Amino acid sequence: DAKTTQPNSMESNEEEPVHLPCNHSTISGTDYIHWYRQLPSQGPEYVIHGLTSNVNNRMASLAIAEDRKSSTLILHRATLRDAAVYYCIPSEDTGKLIFGQGTTLQVKP
Amino acid sequence: GAVVSQHPSRVICKSGTSVKIECRSLDFQATTMFWYRQFPKKSLMLMATSNEGSKATYEQGVEKDKFLINHASLTLSTLTVTSAHPEDSSFYICSARIREAFFGQGTRLTVV
Repeated sequence: DAKTTQPNSMESNEEEPVHLPCNHSTISGTDYIHWYRQLPSQGPEYVIHGLTSNVNNRMASLAIAEDRKSSTLILHRATLRDAAVYYCIPSEDTGKLIFGQGTTLQVKP
Repeated sequence: GAVVSQHPSRVICKSGTSVKIECRSLDFQATTMFWYRQFPKKSLMLMATSNEGSKATYEQGVEKDKFLINHASLTLSTLTVTSAHPEDSSFYICSARIREAFFGQGTRLTVV
């Protein structure tokens, strides 16, 4: 399983963009980069995933480095509801997900 | 999107008793489901992979006789915590994947 490194915590102001970095230098060639987030006392929820190209969906954008050793989750306009723990997880298309420590995002009004 | 439902959301039990937690995939079939536990302020720890029609695969250090997993159908997996002790108190979460993973809402187990 690829090891990931994420900042323990980050802060953002409401309505501003947030860039959450993740290093995954030991990622294998077949692993996708998945991002999940977990709100307090809830199960995690899917945010976005990608393989090589940058990806956009209604929740966020994912920027993947050309060498795939790092990625950045971008929330374009943070809201208070985006306050959560964000996990970056390299994983094959199916199979188990191994969670690291994640980044706790605080959003200030 | 796909939904995974977990029941109960909260349970309190006495030491020495057993507790069963159910995990259902509501609108898709899941031959594989995953069980996690999470302690306060900590990340999710994978306990086991539940396989429909066969034995579960447990992660290293997880007692298979204590955490019994049954995956009897393509939409239901159960986790039974046997002879529960206060140290088993935790947040238990199940998930199933199509491509992305869908998680249940979690079960808060308190053993008194």
